[in-house]
Amino acid sequence: TQLLEQSPQFLSIQEGENLTVYCNSSSVFSSLQWYRQEPGEGPVLLVTVVTGGEVKKLKRLTFQFGDARKDSSLHITAAQPGDTGLYLCAGRWEMDSNYQLIWGAGTKLIIKP
Amino acid sequence: EAQVTQNPRYLITVTGKKLTVTCSQNMNHEYMSWYRQDPGLGLRQIYYSMNVEVTDKGDVPEGYKVSRKEKRNFPLILESPSPNQTSLYFCASSFSQGNGELFFGEGSRLTVL
Repeated sequence: TQLLEQSPQFLSIQEGENLTVYCNSSSVFSSLQWYRQEPGEGPVLLVTVVTGGEVKKLKRLTFQFGDARKDSSLHITAAQPGDTGLYLCAGRWEMDSNYQLIWGAGTKLIIKP
Repeated sequence: EAQVTQNPRYLITVTGKKLTVTCSQNMNHEYMSWYRQDPGLGLRQIYYSMNVEVTDKGDVPEGYKVSRKEKRNFPLILESPSPNQTSLYFCASSFSQGNGELFFGEGSRLTVL
């Protein structure tokens, strides 16, 4: 069974602070995706990282894929209340030309004004 | 507008009363999938379909059935619901299993009494 451990599970911080969310596994992924889910809605894709060591930026959000493609991080600079939501990572794992998407349990982020 | 539509959004039912949650996508996606989301457990895949008439079990298929008679529709059937199937259910689709963005419906919150 492939596992993707996400930490922290819950984070509540003040507006303007920085934070980092981590996704770790012992498995090697062909790619890793980050999704954000707001209450009453389904997850929405933020980014896909494919290459080991890859860094992608989305405004104040910085995503990094580990060199060995086993882990990833999401860093938010100067968090805003609009960043509040559930952040999910999902690693794409390939076996015998079949792909499986392995999900982390999520990080619930609350940004207080 | 590209979307995945689920119905119903909310349902309260009783043990043993068969129900169907419908899912339809308008993006001509080959791949469709059903997930359940429970606190602390993240997204767990119930069933998925690579294409019309091709379905396969995910991680938690017990107590569920699916069918894929048309490309756009992928209904989830609970033949005899039990209280442990109380959960938030999401349908998702993507162009193919191997890559790309997963598009999620808005979710169906099911309570089985």
